[in-house]
Amino acid sequence: AQTVTQSQPEMSVQEAETVTLSCTYDTSESDYYLFWYKQPPSRQMILVIRQEAYKQQNATENRFSVNFQKAAKSFSLKISDSQLGDAAMYFCAYRSAGEETSGSRLTFGEGTQLTVNP
Amino acid sequence: NAGVTQTPKFRILKIGQSMTLQCTQDMNHNYMYWYRQDPGMGLKLIYYSVGAGITDKGEVPNGYNVSRSTTEDFPLRLELAAPSQTSVYFCASRQGRRFNEKLFFGSGTQLSVL
Repeated sequence: AQTVTQSQPEMSVQEAETVTLSCTYDTSESDYYLFWYKQPPSRQMILVIRQEAYKQQNATENRFSVNFQKAAKSFSLKISDSQLGDAAMYFCAYRSAGEETSGSRLTFGEGTQLTVNP
Repeated sequence: NAGVTQTPKFRILKIGQSMTLQCTQDMNHNYMYWYRQDPGMGLKLIYYSVGAGITDKGEVPNGYNVSRSTTEDFPLRLELAAPSQTSVYFCASRQGRRFNEKLFFGSGTQLSVL
């Protein structure tokens, strides 16, 4: 079974600065997808960014980028120019590419609570 | 477009009571999921469905049941509620295939069992 580990329960950053959230995972599969979700106090789950395992190029979405190290099974999220609205719980998630055996379900890490200081 | 709608938003149950958490989506998605989120923890999959009439267990199915008689609805039934079921429950549905997929989450149901 796959596991996802986020070793930083809490992180803080000054507004306009850059912060990196860590995520490692364990899998024996070669084809999979990785995601970062954001959960603000409203409890909504919001997709931030996603990465295909067989793509070498790191995904970017505006101020959000990832550092995907497949051999090391590491998938960190970098937030540049942090804004007050970035304050939230961030979850790393894994999904097998095989739909029939897993129902395309996500395995989540335990989350990192990000505080943005003005 | 309403998306994924969960009811109720909050509920307090006594030990041994039963209840059904409702989830409905109006996007014609085949895949639907129930997750629970314990305080300070990530989401864990309870049950999922790949289409009407088809359901399967996730990581933590004990104490729960589901049904999927229509594409739109995916209710979660709690029988004989226990304090360990105190959690926030999220329903989700999936659009698209493989990497182009997008998950739509409901706003959650906060359940306390006392």
